[in-house]
Amino acid sequence: GAGVSQSPSNKVTEKGKDVELRCDPISGHTALYWYRQSLGQGLEFLIYFQGNSAPDKSGLPSDRFSAERTGGSVSTLTIQRTQQEDSAVYLCASSLRRPEKLFFGSGTQLSVL
Amino acid sequence: DQQVKQNSPSLSVQEGRISILNCDYTNSMFDYFLWYKKYPAEGPTFLISISSIKDKNEDGRFTVFLNKSAKHLSLHIVPSQPGDSAVYFCAAIVNYQLIWGAGTKLIIKP
Repeated sequence: GAGVSQSPSNKVTEKGKDVELRCDPISGHTALYWYRQSLGQGLEFLIYFQGNSAPDKSGLPSDRFSAERTGGSVSTLTIQRTQQEDSAVYLCASSLRRPEKLFFGSGTQLSVL
Repeated sequence: DQQVKQNSPSLSVQEGRISILNCDYTNSMFDYFLWYKKYPAEGPTFLISISSIKDKNEDGRFTVFLNKSAKHLSLHIVPSQPGDSAVYFCAAIVNYQLIWGAGTKLIIKP
């Protein structure tokens, strides 16, 4: 596609359930990032992929969070046993190599009730 | 420890006047700086960038200034237009990492 695509755009879930968020980056972009933005906050780094490997997972808030990327393309962010504090907009971005110019998706608004 | 700081959560500017958004950083290893603009319910979009070897970069109505000795950069928008109303994020690059500021909400008054 022409841009970074994220799905779903909105997700409402109950506390304790697992959720999967999907990111389809721009074709050919080797670098992929996940960020989180809570209400009134800046962008919080979660994880970075270069190809299929994740050299930096340091931003993942807890072991309930995991992410994978397959075929150097689509990435999935999984949150297990969701908590209310997980409610945020989850943003995915991709770039060719270094992040001089990141292209962002529209995000997934996650609401945990 | 915030390495990139945007100390003004919001800024209100009259249409047609200059908007100046400020950003301070602490890490002298940052080698590239970017500004992103974000509308509600959309992802941030790239606006303008500057390498640490430069002190100014201009693109149309947007100019970014970098003062390395003060570890300060600013984004100037002139003239400001209603469509410029958005949240502006300053970000710095070191290696592959993007370090973001908390954002400044710019409101352009008619």
